[in-house]
Amino acid sequence: KAGVTQTPRYLIKTRGQQVTLSCSPISGHRSVSWYQQTPGQGLQFLFEYFSETQRNKGNFPGRFSGRQFSNSRSEMNVSTLELGDSALYLCASSFVPGHQETQYFGPGTRLLVL
Amino acid sequence: AQKITQTQPGMFVQEKEAVTLDCTYDTSDQSYGLFWYKQPSSGEMIFLIYQGSYDEQNATEGRYSLNFQKARKSANLVISASQLGDSAMYFCAMRASGGSYIPTFGRGTSLIVHP
Repeated sequence: KAGVTQTPRYLIKTRGQQVTLSCSPISGHRSVSWYQQTPGQGLQFLFEYFSETQRNKGNFPGRFSGRQFSNSRSEMNVSTLELGDSALYLCASSFVPGHQETQYFGPGTRLLVL
Repeated sequence: AQKITQTQPGMFVQEKEAVTLDCTYDTSDQSYGLFWYKQPSSGEMIFLIYQGSYDEQNATEGRYSLNFQKARKSANLVISASQLGDSAMYFCAMRASGGSYIPTFGRGTSLIVHP
């Protein structure tokens, strides 16, 4: 069974631009979560989608948005990029939300904002 | 509120020795799951082991075992016979209904295995 895939793996953008990251979950998984990881802040939850609906959202500005498609694939978008958005963006999937459900992570997208 | 505490920012261990990485958690939920992940320098978070709050036996997965002490709210990861490839960041996480099942992660422990 294929794991979680994320594209692109690396991105370099300049301030003010926007970026779209893509995540394909493990087949059968309907819950997709996004995280931002930086050395200073650690792993921070961005949002979670389940059955095409945003189920939870972390404490991030509105510049960060996402969506999920009917095939469970998900995208996240960051508009008006800032230097502080440079980070590793991780996507994780599980069958459904639940305390017994293991999230499996993708390889991440490394975003550098210049 | 859910909270995970990993008090060891860095750990060193000799190859082939065992090492314990500490994790304590706080939740008012009765049903919760505890997870450990490994993150090598490549960045991918690799799932290692899961322990449910109602599981009476400690979880084991190959060289990984989870020392679950519910009364003390601790879920320490034990790696037996350390290998050089075990050098990585290790994160403890919890999912519970009180947190809407959003995983709460600790700050991580950096493990370095010496030859």
